[in-house]
Amino acid sequence: LAKTTQPISMDSYEGQEVNITCSHNNIATNDYITWYQQFPSQGPRFIIQGYKTKVTNEVASLFIPADRKSSTLSLPRVSLSDTAVYYCLVGGDNQGGKLIFGQGTELSVKP
Amino acid sequence: EAGVAQSPRYKIIEKRQSVAFWCNPISGHATLYWYQQILGQGPKLLIQFQNNGVVDDSQLPKDRFSAERLKGVDSTLKIQPAKLEDSAVYLCASRAQGGAGELFFGEGSRLTVL
Repeated sequence: LAKTTQPISMDSYEGQEVNITCSHNNIATNDYITWYQQFPSQGPRFIIQGYKTKVTNEVASLFIPADRKSSTLSLPRVSLSDTAVYYCLVGGDNQGGKLIFGQGTELSVKP
Repeated sequence: EAGVAQSPRYKIIEKRQSVAFWCNPISGHATLYWYQQILGQGPKLLIQFQNNGVVDDSQLPKDRFSAERLKGVDSTLKIQPAKLEDSAVYLCASRAQGGAGELFFGEGSRLTVL
């Protein structure tokens, strides 16, 4: 299984763009990259998923370089409500859908 | 669409007692996961079911933890006897068939072992 490495914590201010990078050097060919957000006392919530290049949805963008050994979650114009822990996961059908969470990145957005 | 349901939300027990958690996944979701999340850590996968079969339980402490998913729908996770270090939030998640796609989590069951 591909192990992921993320910064433990990040600080930002409201209105800024936040980029969180995840390293996954031994990602397998069939693996997808998925990001989840977790607020205190809640289960993680899906943000975005991608396989290669760039994916964008209404809340975030995911940038994946050609070698797929890393990925960057981009949150545009963060607000206080984006304060949460963000997890990068790598996995796919080759592990039967097994998904391993790392330590996550604790994002703190300040006014 | 109803989400993943878990109960109880909170449970306090003394060490060496037993406890059971229940999870009802989203209707039609074939894959069900149980995670353990200790305060300050990421969720740790305990067991994964595909329908009513176990796909992975390598991280499940089988001397005290057990889980079942009879009929391939809802699932129960049991701890007997509980230890202090079992204090955590137990998260259930489900996903439609397949290795990719969104994982849907319940709100979790918070266990405190005294």
